[in-house]
Amino acid sequence: EVQLVESGGGLVQPGGSLRLSCAASGFTFSSFWMTWVRQAPGKGLEWVANIKADGSEKYYVDSVKGRFTISRDNAKNSLYLQMNSLRAEDTAVYYCARGKTASPWGQGTLVTVSS
Amino acid sequence: DVVMTQSPLSLPVTLGQPASISCRSSQSLVYSDGNTYLNWFQQRPGQSPRRLIYKVSNWDSGVPDRFSGSGSGTDFTLKISRVEAEDVGVYYCMQATHWPYTFGQGTKLEIK
Repeated sequence: EVQLVESGGGLVQPGGSLRLSCAASGFTFSSFWMTWVRQAPGKGLEWVANIKADGSEKYYVDSVKGRFTISRDNAKNSLYLQMNSLRAEDTAVYYCARGKTASPWGQGTLVTVSS
Repeated sequence: DVVMTQSPLSLPVTLGQPASISCRSSQSLVYSDGNTYLNWFQQRPGQSPRRLIYKVSNWDSGVPDRFSGSGSGTDFTLKISRVEAEDVGVYYCMQATHWPYTFGQGTKLEIK
């Protein structure tokens, strides 16, 4: 069974940093693109970033470019999202998902940016 | 960025009746490989989203066949032939043809 488990969320002050992790199991992680999607409280879904299976290509939504970095460790079956210079508008549940078109998803981890 | 516009945004439906959600894109979603990367997701209350349909009309594993997707170019539709109580939630279309990938605003389906 495919499982994706996010961790690393929490409360952080504006301008702070946070690193999210996603532990994958039940599939050959190193063969798949991986994705981060976020959902602000009570709002819709926003694509954040993708990374190719071998890490050689990365894509970001404009609102996080230069602040967030997606990465992966195929030896550890893990996906990461390093988030710097956090803003209030980054407050959201962050989901990791398998593949370029997101299936399946993890349960999400909540990031709250507030002073 | 490609703008995805869903309608309606709220969809009250009687149990056993059909439902239909429209999704329009601001650009053609036909990719250079000939495929159209238009997907549909369901988010039940309190749950993570789940993909139902990929590439316009292909069911994901475990998706009931009362769900169907259709369309081409810039105009797409998700249909539910007979709504059941477990279908309550928010439905999103998403395009994966043009970077950055983008979602529609979501359509909230409720039982009348």
